[in-house]
Amino acid sequence: NAGVTQTPKFQVLKTGQSMTLQCAQDMNHNSMYWYRQDPGMGLRLIYYSASEGTTDKGEVPNGYNVSRLNKREFSLRLESAAPSQTSVYFCASSESPVVAGAQETQYFGPGTRLLVL
Amino acid sequence: SQQGEEDPQALSIQEGENATMNCSYKTSINNLQWYRQNSGRGLVHLILIRSNEREKHSGRLRVTLDTSKKSSSLLITASRAADTASYFCATRGGGFKTIFGAGTRLFVKA
Repeated sequence: NAGVTQTPKFQVLKTGQSMTLQCAQDMNHNSMYWYRQDPGMGLRLIYYSASEGTTDKGEVPNGYNVSRLNKREFSLRLESAAPSQTSVYFCASSESPVVAGAQETQYFGPGTRLLVL
Repeated sequence: SQQGEEDPQALSIQEGENATMNCSYKTSINNLQWYRQNSGRGLVHLILIRSNEREKHSGRLRVTLDTSKKSSSLLITASRAADTASYFCATRGGGFKTIFGAGTRLFVKA
């Protein structure tokens, strides 16, 4: 099993360009997540998908959109990139559907390093 | 606002010494998790402790949880150079969102 895979590994964009970050998991997990990690700030949740067919906003959703294409794949789109979106983006998945207050172990991809000029 | 906050921000020790990291959180939780992140990699789950547990062990890891103080600690015994990484606590309150702290950067000198 590959676990959680992300593409691309590294990307440079100019301000205003768009791109889609791809994420796939082969563990048959129900829930998937997108985080961004900035120096000294830990991980912040952008969007999550509690189960196939549903998506919800996290802590910092502005400037992003997501698509849960099927149970395996969860993509993150930047419609008009800004320098403030320079960050490392992590996709994660967990086995159970998200339940309020409950927390399952999350499995992370290797990350996508995005630089917006 | 951050649910989990780690302390210290950075820690440098000699190989063989013990390393202790602390995490404080703000709201009631069902469980708390610790993750490790090696440089340039994704996070890897280390251990989960439930709110009705006070202490849990896994190999050289020992985690404690004090729900009255809303705090947890991670102890790594007999540290190795390979333990050099950032360590994060993660919690979820009553909602759906997992909150990660800013992490403790541990450097173990050989």
